[in-house]
Amino acid sequence: EVQLVESGGGLVQPGGSLRLSCAASGFTFTMYSMNWVRQAPGKGLECISYISSSSHTIYYADSVKGRFTISRDNAKKSLYLQMNSLRAEDTAVYYCTRDLDYEASWGQGTLVTVSS
Amino acid sequence: DIQMTQSPSSLSASVGDRVTITCQASQDIINYLNWYQQKPGKAPKLLIFAASDLETGVPSRFSGSGSGTDFTFTISSLQPEDIATYYCQQYHALPATFGGGTKVEIK
Repeated sequence: EVQLVESGGGLVQPGGSLRLSCAASGFTFTMYSMNWVRQAPGKGLECISYISSSSHTIYYADSVKGRFTISRDNAKKSLYLQMNSLRAEDTAVYYCTRDLDYEASWGQGTLVTVSS
Repeated sequence: DIQMTQSPSSLSASVGDRVTITCQASQDIINYLNWYQQKPGKAPKLLIFAASDLETGVPSRFSGSGSGTDFTFTISSLQPEDIATYYCQQYHALPATFGGGTKVEIK
């Protein structure tokens, strides 16, 4: 069974930093691209970052470019999102996803709240 | 980025009704389209992939159709447990993009 478990969310002040982690199990992690998708309270879904299986291709949405960094450790079967210079508008549930194609799988999400 | 326009944004229907949601892509995405169901406080659940293929374990009252730029999602007979928000999502090109969602309620 595919499992994706996010951690690292919490309350942070504007301008602060957080590092999200996603632990993967139940599939061959090295074969899949991964994504971070976020959902602001009461809003829709936004793919904010993508990383290919080899880390060769990386994408960031304009809304987070220059502030967020995606990475993965294939040996640890883990995905990360380093979030710096956080803003109130970054408040959202952050989901780790395996691909977003016909084999899409989602974690349960971790809540990030940016507030003073 | 490919824009996904989903309609309606909300609907209210009776138990047993047929419910239809549409999704239009800003360019040809062949059939690289997913449909998700999201209940409050939960992660989205994949229902349909490749525009019309039902994910294992998903009830057959859910279906999808379409190709190119125009797609349809149907619940043939609405059940109380189908109350949720539904999203389309294209995976033809990076970045993956989502429709705005359709909130389905019981009348």
